[in-house]
Amino acid sequence: QVHLQESGPGLVKPSETLSLTCTVSGGSINYYYWNWIRQPPEKGLEWIGYIYSTGTTNYNPSLKDRVTISVDTSKNQFSLRLSSVTAADTAVYYCARDGSGYQPWGQGTLVTVSS
Amino acid sequence: DIVMTQSPDSLAVSLGERATINCKSSQSVLYSSDNNNYLGWYQQKPGQPPKLLIYWASTRVSGVPDRFSGSGSGTDFTLTISSLQAEDVAVYYCHQYYNTPRTFGQGTKVEIK
Repeated sequence: QVHLQESGPGLVKPSETLSLTCTVSGGSINYYYWNWIRQPPEKGLEWIGYIYSTGTTNYNPSLKDRVTISVDTSKNQFSLRLSSVTAADTAVYYCARDGSGYQPWGQGTLVTVSS
Repeated sequence: DIVMTQSPDSLAVSLGERATINCKSSQSVLYSSDNNNYLGWYQQKPGQPPKLLIYWASTRVSGVPDRFSGSGSGTDFTLTISSLQAEDVAVYYCHQYYNTPRTFGQGTKVEIK
């Protein structure tokens, strides 16, 4: 059974770069699309982007200039970098596998942007 | 972007009664080449990630109780909980994966009356 786990700092200063990693266990990262999705406190879901195991990416245009998603197949991990963060980027960040809908999901990690 | 609009924003239903959530997309999510609607439904409970319930608009995920059903095609979709149970209290989201950017509805909060 595939399991996803997000990791990274829970606090980031304004204007700095948010960096998170999603580790995939129980299965291979190959041949799937892997997504980042976020949810601000008490709000809805926003798709950030995805990466295929070969490295092909697709980003939400609302974040495109600030987002980079990368994959390391040797470690069965993929990562998110979001630059120039503001308080509006405070959210729970989830990673999820794509395949006719998102499943499974990681448990999510809260990232707060504050000085 | 495809805008997903759910109705209502919240509803309160008695235990054992039917709950119906609607989702309308701003353009069709029916892909003509395979005749599939690229529409999913998720359930999210507090402090948990969303859980996929339904994909292809009407296919139930393995292990999801059969009181959950999805219907609709094109731009109009419905999630029905045929007999609400206490454990169904949650926020429900529709989601289109027809194109990018992927988008979600704003969520519908289901409570017990």
